[in-house]
Amino acid sequence: QQQVKQSPQSLIVQKGGIPIINCAYENTAFDYFPWYQQFPGKGPALLIAIRPDVSEKKEGRFTISFNKSAKQFSLHIMDSQPGDSATYFCAAIRSTDKLIFGTGTRLQVFP
Amino acid sequence: EPEVTQTPSHQVTQMGQEVILRCVPISNHLYFYWYRQILGQKVEFLVSFYNNEISEKSEIFDDQFSVERPDGSNFTLKIRSTKLEDSAMYFCASRRPPSSTNEKLFFGSGTQLSVL
Repeated sequence: QQQVKQSPQSLIVQKGGIPIINCAYENTAFDYFPWYQQFPGKGPALLIAIRPDVSEKKEGRFTISFNKSAKQFSLHIMDSQPGDSATYFCAAIRSTDKLIFGTGTRLQVFP
Repeated sequence: EPEVTQTPSHQVTQMGQEVILRCVPISNHLYFYWYRQILGQKVEFLVSFYNNEISEKSEIFDDQFSVERPDGSNFTLKIRSTKLEDSAMYFCASRRPPSSTNEKLFFGSGTQLSVL
């Protein structure tokens, strides 16, 4: 129940493409769903986050879509750039609990 | 933006030795965490710390691990007798009190621990 499942494991797109990363959760008590971006040798950095009372959130080229009934959420990266090449982790948290990470998606954007 | 700082960035140790990983969380944060990431794998929760005590720990966090907040600024992770499988990147994280509407967790850049 504490797991967050993430797919795909890796993703390769050309510059300008729209990679989509999907996550699913079981625990309906989760109330905050962040996405983290991690570059090699660095710690995860918060990219964008959403609460379950919102179906979509957009910040710049990054959009989260949230489907509460399906317990799924996804990250879309519009007009992807080579600099977006990184590992992306979805996560979920419930108030004072620990952050639970998905398994990560390694994204490569080729020029 | 405020930062969580971790030292050292790399630590090499012999199996069986004790190591202490250090973290300085963001000053007005009250929740502190240690996570680890084995190369190429996901980020795993180790322990959370609030109000000077452990609030939750994972099954990874056995008797060989301990955490401490020795003063008002540092937060440390001690591994008493390191094993080869402890080799990983260790991340410290902190966040504001749970009553805040912002649950943003800030991560440090990590300490790469290599056990030989």
